[in-house]
Amino acid sequence: AQKVTQAQTEISVVEKEDVTLDCVYETRDTTYYLFWYKQPPSGELVFLIRRNSFDEQNEISGRYSWNFQKSTSSFNFTITASQVVDSAVYFCALIAAAGNKLTFGGGTRVLVKP
Amino acid sequence: NAGVTQTPKFQVLKTGQSMTLQCAQDMNHEYMSWYRQDPGMGLRLIHYSVGAGITDQGEVPNGYNVSRSTTEDFPLRLLSAAPSQTSVYFCASSVPGGYLNEQFFGPGTRLTVL
Repeated sequence: AQKVTQAQTEISVVEKEDVTLDCVYETRDTTYYLFWYKQPPSGELVFLIRRNSFDEQNEISGRYSWNFQKSTSSFNFTITASQVVDSAVYFCALIAAAGNKLTFGGGTRVLVKP
Repeated sequence: NAGVTQTPKFQVLKTGQSMTLQCAQDMNHEYMSWYRQDPGMGLRLIHYSVGAGITDQGEVPNGYNVSRSTTEDFPLRLLSAAPSQTSVYFCASSVPGGYLNEQFFGPGTRLTVL
């Protein structure tokens, strides 16, 4: 069985502050893929990043960065210099290479105040 | 490309009624899936399909049926609606050869069962 835990249900920050979203996962598989999706207030789901279990390099894309640590089974996501448009629910998800089922965490709601 | 389309966007049913949620994609994706989203629980996989004629159960399949007669369409049927099925339903598809790849989500159907 696989499980994704996002312990933070809601985070509120003031614009320009950095915010880090935690994601901890459990899986027995050695090959797996991790994802982050964004769900803005409009409701659609937007893909942000995919990372496989053999690639522990951290990644930066604009104001977004991801920290994958296999030793602690974590795949954390940081928004630098947050903006009001970053207000959304963010989901971490996991799929094993040997399986067909994508498992989502419960999501973290980020509210960026002006 | 229209991407992944879902109809209807909103639906209200009475307990015991049946209905079909429609999902279609025009990207020639082999993998399609249905999720339900409930507050605080993220998205949970209902059913999925790795190709035409092939379907399988996800995490919460009870009360739902699916079929995949064509690559493009993946309808979700509620046989006898219950209030516990009140939720937002998302359909998703993945590029050929990869449920491991980014999934493209439809806009969702908000279902209320009274």
